[in-house]
Amino acid sequence: QVTLKESGPALVKPAQTLTLTCTFSGFSLTTSGMRVNWIRQPPGKALEWLGRIDWDDETYYSPSLKTSLTISKDTSKNQVVLTMPNMDPVDTATYYCARSPAGSRYFDYWGQGTLVTVSS
Amino acid sequence: EIVLTQAPGTLSLSPGERATLSCRASQSVDSSYLAWYQQKAGQSPRLLIHDTSSRATGIPDRFSGSGSGTDFTLTISRLEPEDFAVYYCQQYRNSPYTFGQGTNLEIK
Repeated sequence: QVTLKESGPALVKPAQTLTLTCTFSGFSLTTSGMRVNWIRQPPGKALEWLGRIDWDDETYYSPSLKTSLTISKDTSKNQVVLTMPNMDPVDTATYYCARSPAGSRYFDYWGQGTLVTVSS
Repeated sequence: EIVLTQAPGTLSLSPGERATLSCRASQSVDSSYLAWYQQKAGQSPRLLIHDTSSRATGIPDRFSGSGSGTDFTLTISRLEPEDFAVYYCQQYRNSPYTFGQGTNLEIK
């Protein structure tokens, strides 16, 4: 079955770089059309799509974060990595990775999420 | 960016009643690029509906989606106790993919 799981630090200081890893199973990111996305949710607020990486290494980012976000993949490890530099307290949120099925862009499987707090 | 506005913000109903949740887009998302998710407290979102009206795997048939253009609806025909949660719509017509602010479906 398809599973995804996020891992990374629970606490980062302002101006530090956040690195989160999404480890998945049950599908391959080498399959044509497959995509993995990053989505976040500040406490008590709505969901925000951050970006995605496709099977062919193409990446797409939200314009509001485009200049600061990097998503990469390691297909041998079934992992996708999110890097966000210069973290700010407003970036405090639960970060999710989620799969888009081949050929589409909705999110059919989600990780459990990881809460990242930005505080000194 | 396409802005999605959900109404109402909070919906108070009783088990057995019918729920109608609205999602309005700031520009057309056609008829196939709209999804609905359910999120319970402390859990990840769960896909309910994709492509406006297609139920995801394992979703009961009391959940249905409809709409086109800029106006979309999620209907829950008869509420079960486990249906009380927050519901989000999401468009994937254009990047960035955007979500509505959510409708909190609470027990009356």
